[in-house]
Amino acid sequence: LLQESGPGLVKPSETLSLTCTVSGASISSADYWGWIRQPPGKGLEWIGSIFHTGSTHYNPSLKTKSRVSISVDTSKNQFSLRLTSVTATDTAVYYCARGLAGFDYWGQGTLVTVSS
Amino acid sequence: EIVMTQSPATLSVSPGERATLSCRASQSVSSNLAWSQQKPGQAPRLLIYGASTRATGIPARFSGSGSGTEFTLTISSLQSEDFAVYYCHQYDNWPPVITFGQGTRLEIK
Repeated sequence: LLQESGPGLVKPSETLSLTCTVSGASISSADYWGWIRQPPGKGLEWIGSIFHTGSTHYNPSLKTKSRVSISVDTSKNQFSLRLTSVTATDTAVYYCARGLAGFDYWGQGTLVTVSS
Repeated sequence: EIVMTQSPATLSVSPGERATLSCRASQSVSSNLAWSQQKPGQAPRLLIYGASTRATGIPARFSGSGSGTEFTLTISSLQSEDFAVYYCHQYDNWPPVITFGQGTRLEIK
């Protein structure tokens, strides 16, 4: 099981930080762990993925401006998302998920609203 | 970036009938394509990966086909619980840049 946690409201220009806690599986298994978001009423957008070794891959649309970073804490069986300089367009349901060649386990998702 | 285009945007089908959903890639992704189903208020659920391999627990009425740039998800006999939004995504690149299609809404006719 995967569970997202973090603030549901972030002010414009500030940093969005979310954590995904993995239970029932070791994050150190040979697999990728990722973040996907979905603006209200819209489709899915891959944000990025991380391997337990810390190797990361990001969506170029977010990486270009160095806004996104994903990290892993194997001791806590968690991985985290950090998105800087948020605007209203970052308002979305944020999901954590396992995998790369198909995301086979998903968290329930958490709505993050960017508003002052 | 590989662009994924799904068609149609909305598909109306009667229960018990067959539904065919399409996904096209802007360049070849080999068989590195997955399909997911999303119901309102829920996280997506993986149906198919590797273009044609059903994920664990997925009923046999769901089947995927295609390779290269053209892919199809077929639901052989629609059940009430199958009406949802379906997304394809590709994972062909290395390093990976995963892109989703815009989704097909499957609704009851």
